[in-house]
Amino acid sequence: LAKTTQPISMDSYEGQEVNITCSHNNIATNDYITWYQQFPSQGPRFIIQGYKTKVTNEVASLFIPADRKSSTLSLPRVSLSDTAVYYCLVGDARRGGADGLTFGKGTHLIIQP
Amino acid sequence: GAVVSQHPSRVICKSGTSVKIECRSLDFQATTMFWYRQFPKQSLMLMATSNEGSKATYEQGVEKDKFLINHASLTLSTLTVTSAHPEDSSFYICSASFQGNEKLFFGSGTQLSVL
Repeated sequence: LAKTTQPISMDSYEGQEVNITCSHNNIATNDYITWYQQFPSQGPRFIIQGYKTKVTNEVASLFIPADRKSSTLSLPRVSLSDTAVYYCLVGDARRGGADGLTFGKGTHLIIQP
Repeated sequence: GAVVSQHPSRVICKSGTSVKIECRSLDFQATTMFWYRQFPKQSLMLMATSNEGSKATYEQGVEKDKFLINHASLTLSTLTVTSAHPEDSSFYICSASFQGNEKLFFGSGTQLSVL
């Protein structure tokens, strides 16, 4: 199983850049890396997905080194509304089952004024 | 973007009754739908995977006779919690994916409280 390891929690302040790193040593060749954000009592929301190198969208960047054994989600200039739990998933949703869809414990990001 | 609608958002029921939760993909055909449950301050736990027209595949430890899943069409999957008990109280979340896309699209979740 391509399990992931993330810090349990992180703190930062408004306007700062936040980087959350996820370890996935057993990532398979066909696996993608996907990050989700979850607010209390809501379903997770897709943030960004990548396979290798760097991916950037309007809300975040994802950095993936050449060996793909880790990835870093970068949130530029965070605000209070970015306080949430962030999950790193590794796998292929099309395969289904725990192999591709196992949620780790996630990282609880707390942004302070 | 792809939208997954989940209803109801909250349900309170008496012990012993059954509760049905619906999950609909509004603007795409979901080849696969997934059901999760989440206890307070814990991560999501995959319960089962369902493909349209076939029986759901349940994860180890999940009772298929208690958590009935029906994926009758490419846009609708239902989860029925039969003979619910207080220990079934949890946050249930569905998600869907479609062919050629590795992302998961999640519903807004259903908070089930069994009295």
